[in-house]
Amino acid sequence: AQSVTQLGSHVSVSEGALVLLRCNYSSSVPPYLFWYVQYPNQGLQLLLKYTTGATLVKGINGFEAEFKKSETSFHLTKPSAHMSDAAEYFCAVSRNNDMRFGAGTRLTVKP
Amino acid sequence: KAGVTQTPRYLIKTRGQQVTLSCSPISGHRSVSWYQQTPGQGLQFLFEYFSETQRNKGNFPGRFSGRQFSNSRSEMNVSTLELGDSALYLCASSSNPGLAGGITSTDTQYFGPGTRLTVL
Repeated sequence: AQSVTQLGSHVSVSEGALVLLRCNYSSSVPPYLFWYVQYPNQGLQLLLKYTTGATLVKGINGFEAEFKKSETSFHLTKPSAHMSDAAEYFCAVSRNNDMRFGAGTRLTVKP
Repeated sequence: KAGVTQTPRYLIKTRGQQVTLSCSPISGHRSVSWYQQTPGQGLQFLFEYFSETQRNKGNFPGRFSGRQFSNSRSEMNVSTLELGDSALYLCASSSNPGLAGGITSTDTQYFGPGTRLTVL
């Protein structure tokens, strides 16, 4: 069965600093990979997704993620954090009609 | 155009009752997926419907069921409610059917604000 691990339930960065949210997966075959963001009292918004092709995926709001098969990772990055990036972020994997979400990482951005 | 709408936004039920939640997708979208979000279990995929047919299903008991109408609106039903069913139920819509778990390779999923169900 697939599983997703997000390292760090809480991450705090200063405004303008690099954002790095970690996601590792376990799957017998390369899965499809996703990052979602959830703002307070709202549903989820798809940030980006990897299915096939280029391993560096660019998403909305300046986020990007790189699929590294050898490391079974799909870390999310943004060069410069903005106050509006404060939210909860979820990594998800999907393969063979089985979709799993990570536990989420709450990002705090300090002024 | 209007986004995904879910009704009701908040619901309080007691154990043993049944509940029906509604999701109206974005106009033109034919795929609707449902998710359960709880503090303990996190986000879990329930099922996906496309053109009135269930295409994918997560690992939930048979008390959880759904359906989709010809106008793509979807309902989710939970029978014999348990305390552990208290959660935020999210639905998402997209144009095309999912690869798995309601996700497509080319289309974006758009989520509604959710229905918060409390079971007492």
